[in-house]
Parts: sequence; C-alpha cells; structure tokens
Amino acid sequence: GAGVSQSPRYKVAKRGQDVALRCDPISGHVSLFWYQQALGQGPEFLTYFQNEAQLDKSGLPSDRFFAERPEGSVSTLKIQRTQQEDSAVYLCASSSTSALSSYNEQFFGPGTRLTVL
Amino acid sequence: QKEVEQNSGPLSVPEGAIASLNCTYSDRGSQSFFWYRQYSGKSPELIMFIYSNGDKEDGRFTAQLNKASQYVSLLIRDSQPSDSATYLCAVRNTGNQFYFGTGTSLTVIP
Repeated sequence: GAGVSQSPRYKVAKRGQDVALRCDPISGHVSLFWYQQALGQGPEFLTYFQNEAQLDKSGLPSDRFFAERPEGSVSTLKIQRTQQEDSAVYLCASSSTSALSSYNEQFFGPGTRLTVL
Repeated sequence: QKEVEQNSGPLSVPEGAIASLNCTYSDRGSQSFFWYRQYSGKSPELIMFIYSNGDKEDGRFTAQLNKASQYVSLLIRDSQPSDSATYLCAVRNTGNQFYFGTGTSLTVIP
C-alpha cells in the first residue's frame, strides 16, 4: 500500500449508535496514532499504539471511545452511543519510528468524517 | 493555557513575498517540533521538523526554533499560490505526547 488508508471515508450515525472506524497504516510502521479534528481546529491527540501495545490513551474523551490494534497493523477506533459532539474528522497517522524517538514523521490517512445526527 | 498556540490568521501575502508563521508552546521541556501543511478537506502533510535551536532550511522553507522563548516559526520564501493552505504547528512534549495548534490559514495572492 502506498499510504495510510481509512474507512469509511464518511459515516453518518444517529445519536446513540455505535460506530467503528478502520485504519490501515503503512506496512511495517510501528507507531499508529488517532486524532480527532473538529472543523477549524487542529488535530487533537486521542491515542497511540506502538505495535499492538496501546501506550497512551490519555486523549480519549470518554469511556465511550475505545481503540485497538490487536496484531500490530490494522487499528479500529470504536465509539459507543455516539453523541452530536462526536461529529468530527477522525485522522489516523502512522510512523516508522517510535514516538519516543527525536524524529517521528507521521503520515496521515485521508480521515473519516463522522456526522452524528 | 493551550499546549500549542498559533495565530489563526488569515494571513495574506503577495506572490513572491516571504510568509512568516509563528507558534508558541507551553511545555519548556518539549523535544521535537513539526510543521504540517493542510489543504482544505485534505489530511496534514509534514513540511519540516526541527529539534535543535536555530534555523533549519529546506528549499523555500526555513524552520526556526528558540527553546528559551518557547517559540518556533516557519518562513516560506518566494511564496506561491500553491502554498495557500492551513499550516499546523505540532509539538512533542516531555510526555511524548503530540499537540497540534489550531493552524494558521495562509493565502498567497497572485
């Protein structure tokens, strides 16, 4: 694969529905990040994986948000009982290096635009 | 206080001029600093990173870092209309967390 891919690109959910957003990182990339970007704002960090280990989930806004990367490649961000304030673009990024290295270039996917009605 | 602050703009410069984008950060121990460009409706793409005090040049782009002042900037020389985008400053802090600013919107006028 040439880059990070995400699916679906667009998702409309009714309030209270559960959604699952998928991220396929660049092959071999050890680090994977999820961000939430509201309109007119910069990306806000949600969580970080190094291989299959979720090393930081401090940015997840509530216990309705859950992320996993069971085999160290594909990751899924799940949002339970969606609320209108969850409407945003969810960006996934991957990097060939650990977040602990001085240089950590993150390659972003196209994002999933979630709209909660 | 936000971790990373940027002027939201919009910043307008004529074609061929120098565009100067600024960013301040709150965690004095922050280690790495990044500038991303984001076109409308697209995902961010990395332009430059810097982690040592001073200047770093890459083509038309120069990143400047002053850790004492907790300030990082991006200069774009010979600005082109294709440089029109939102520029995001990102910082990796002492906790190895990444924070982005809200971005500065740049318009280069032909």
